[in-house]
Amino acid sequence: DAKTTQPNSMESNEEEPVHLPCNHSTISGTDYIHWYRQLPSQGPEYVIHGLTSNVNNRMASLAIAEDRKSSTLILHRATLRDAAVYYCILSSLATGNQFYFGTGTSLTVIP
Amino acid sequence: EAQVTQNPRYLITVTGKKLTVTCSQNMNHEYMSWYRQDPGLGLRQIYYSMNVEVTDKGDVPEGYKVSRKEKRNFPLILESPSPNQTSLYFCASAYSGPNTEAFFGQGTRLTVV
Repeated sequence: DAKTTQPNSMESNEEEPVHLPCNHSTISGTDYIHWYRQLPSQGPEYVIHGLTSNVNNRMASLAIAEDRKSSTLILHRATLRDAAVYYCILSSLATGNQFYFGTGTSLTVIP
Repeated sequence: EAQVTQNPRYLITVTGKKLTVTCSQNMNHEYMSWYRQDPGLGLRQIYYSMNVEVTDKGDVPEGYKVSRKEKRNFPLILESPSPNQTSLYFCASAYSGPNTEAFFGQGTRLTVV
């Protein structure tokens, strides 16, 4: 199974950039890298995803290592509303469209 | 409003009493899936469906059934619930497979006593 490894928790000061790391050393060539976040008492929410190239959207940026064995979610200016659990996920077309969540990183944003 | 709706949001039941958790999406998505979330284990996929009448097992399918008779609905069935199925359940849908943005429901907290 393709799996991801993330730090259990991280802290950031408000209005500073946040870099959330994820290791996925067993990633296969067809696996996409996704990031979702889960606010308290809510379902997960899509943040961003990519395959090989770095990606940007209005919420965040995704930096993917050249060997694809790791990636980093970048929140450019953390706000209190960004406090959540962030999940790095691989979706595997090779093993039948499954979606593998890790245990996520709990981000605390300090005012 | 685009959404995934789960019902009920909370359910307490007894061991062995069959139950169904419904999931409906209004986005005409082909892909739907069910997850359970347990402390320390993150979200684990139970079943998923690529389209009507097409379902496949995820990581933890034991004790669960699903059906996909209509595109919008993907109910989760527990034929004989046991206490180890006490969990928070999420349904999700995506346009065409897990490589597209997934939308999650608000969750169903199930307690089996």
